[in-house]
Amino acid sequence: ETGVTQTPRHLVMGMTNKKSLKCEQHLGHNAMYWYKQSAKKPLELMFVYSLEERVENNSVPSRFSPECPNSSHLFLHLHTLQPEDSALYLCASSQEGTGVGYGYTFGSGTRLTVV
Amino acid sequence: EDQVTQSPEALRLQEGESSSLNCSYTVSGLRGLFWYRQDPGKGPEFLFTLYSAGEEKEKERLKATLTKKESFLHITAPKPEDSATYLCAVQAGSARQLTFGSGTQLTVLP
Repeated sequence: ETGVTQTPRHLVMGMTNKKSLKCEQHLGHNAMYWYKQSAKKPLELMFVYSLEERVENNSVPSRFSPECPNSSHLFLHLHTLQPEDSALYLCASSQEGTGVGYGYTFGSGTRLTVV
Repeated sequence: EDQVTQSPEALRLQEGESSSLNCSYTVSGLRGLFWYRQDPGKGPEFLFTLYSAGEEKEKERLKATLTKKESFLHITAPKPEDSATYLCAVQAGSARQLTFGSGTQLTVLP
């Protein structure tokens, strides 16, 4: 496995279900991110983990709960979602540093549909 | 607050018809401007990083340039396989995260 791997690729869930999205990075990076991508809108940052510590929580509803057990794995736990939460959820990783900017490597995303 | 605006929203070109995509930004202390390509149902794929005004980078039919207020992605003699959404993002100040524009959906017709 190389790069950033996300599972599942597609998920359909009812509003009362509980599910989890998984992300794994094989790049030795020290930061991981969850982004939400809805149609016709810019990518929205949800959470940032740096060295396994959550450092950003961008006013995300509590029905989304992230978990970062180690620097290679990131989860997004979902419960009692709403139909407007249907979107492509993207995981990314980067090697943080000071000075010049550092880009992300993205996974292929999980297409979530809430019914 | 960092802002990134991309134009046009959508662009249709004939194969071989060169054009440019625009990314305007308003940030304090630019540390990097990034271009990504995104195919339908997939995650963004990294193309270029530009760090300072005047910098240019090329890859096959794509060339990215940067000024103090905007970046252009020039596409020369595009092919149908260049069809995708192109995303621009900036990292500025002490921010960890990238701020993205809404993207330009490019369609190249054979």
